Amino acid sequence: DQQVKQNSPSLSVQEGRISILNCDYTNSMFDYFLWYKKYPAEGPTFLISISSIKDKNEDGRFTVFLNKSAKHLSLHIVPSQPGDSAVYFCAANGQGAQKLVFGQGTRLTINP
Amino acid sequence: GAVVSQHPSRVICKSGTSVKIECRSLDFQATTMFWYRQFPKQSLMLMATSNEGSKATYEQGVEKDKFLINHASLTLSTLTVTSAHPEDSSFYICSVRGQGPYEQYFGPGTRLTVT
Repeated sequence: DQQVKQNSPSLSVQEGRISILNCDYTNSMFDYFLWYKKYPAEGPTFLISISSIKDKNEDGRFTVFLNKSAKHLSLHIVPSQPGDSAVYFCAANGQGAQKLVFGQGTRLTINP
Repeated sequence: GAVVSQHPSRVICKSGTSVKIECRSLDFQATTMFWYRQFPKQSLMLMATSNEGSKATYEQGVEKDKFLINHASLTLSTLTVTSAHPEDSSFYICSVRGQGPYEQYFGPGTRLTVT
């Protein structure tokens, strides 16, 4: 049972344009969502997060949007840079739970 | 955030042998650590939650006798894959729970190949 889903395994974007990565979840008890970036053979690094009481959180080039009614969140990267090429995971954390539930990841490639 | 290291970064072992992977929190006292496994092109799957000084809590489907976890200090947790088989070949990643309830800081991972 995949509670967090990233339906696009890969995404290719031209440098300077906007990258939009999507994530859907099924468990309405999730109340905190995180995006991680991962390079090959490295552990994930935290990018940005959002609480369920908000619908938007912005940090520099990165913005996360949350649509609770649709159980959908998205990560916008603008402008996209070559260094953004990596695998992006969304993750959710249930109320009071320590555990993170990860999506399958989306491989983002930024083309020069 | 916390700096987390793992050792070794890569290990190849023969089927039937045991392998120990270390996870160290270099600048943070980690009362809780997590062990994940990632198969190629798949998500990170939580294997177990390791609490300092107590027994680890394993996720459903993870054999506790095969994947031994020891968290004897606030800076070190170890994962021992016992009697390894080729299907145990995977990327093993640990993380340290941060100060906030949802914070986790990940190690660089260990690539295990069982031949």
